[in-house]
Amino acid sequence: KNEVEQSPQNLTAQEGEFITINCSYSVGISALHWLQQHPGGGIVSLFMLSSGKKKHGRLIATINIQEKHSSLHITASHPRDSAVYICAVYTSGTYKYIFGTGTRLKVLA
Amino acid sequence: GAGVSQSPSNKVTEKGKDVELRCDPISGHTALYWYRQSLGQGLEFLIYFQGNSAPDKSGLPSDRFSAERTGGSVSTLTIQRTQQEDSAVYLCASSFSGVGTGELFFGEGSRLTVL
Repeated sequence: KNEVEQSPQNLTAQEGEFITINCSYSVGISALHWLQQHPGGGIVSLFMLSSGKKKHGRLIATINIQEKHSSLHITASHPRDSAVYICAVYTSGTYKYIFGTGTRLKVLA
Repeated sequence: GAGVSQSPSNKVTEKGKDVELRCDPISGHTALYWYRQSLGQGLEFLIYFQGNSAPDKSGLPSDRFSAERTGGSVSTLTIQRTQQEDSAVYLCASSFSGVGTGELFFGEGSRLTVL
């Protein structure tokens, strides 16, 4: 079992839909990052969380430390949101990030 | 620089040759990470630098892989006697604090193809 699990692996949505991507982890963490990778490979950091909730534009990220779970929400989705969304946890006491395998999102116009 | 810079962006080499990949992190970032992403796969940790030292080399796949960082800045990842299974995108990331509380900035990657 992977230490960081994401669901779903693939998601197709219609423009305007509300989207949720989930990340569960089994290790102790100092922080959790949500990353976005567009076709062509560039990776951008969307959020870094250690507790609570953060919002940036149409993106909202939440984390529940007790339940070892985080969600990334996209409101009013748009085709330009099509990308792979990756959850990465920074494990307590180490220098390593452990990455989920990503959620491939496609938003149709 | 303004962002993390990696070179070359693409490298095609023959099996058995050595390759060197370069990462120039954001100025002032103390932490530098190398990852590898094979086609359709997730990110695989290779090595982490804090300053010039590498506290964690556990991700390096074999002794053909080595990395160094000089002056707390530029890092090079060297792959000796390349094999076809080394074909992947090699990504570099840097952050300010290096203890998981700083935002990660990624380079565009170096795509390595071993024929």
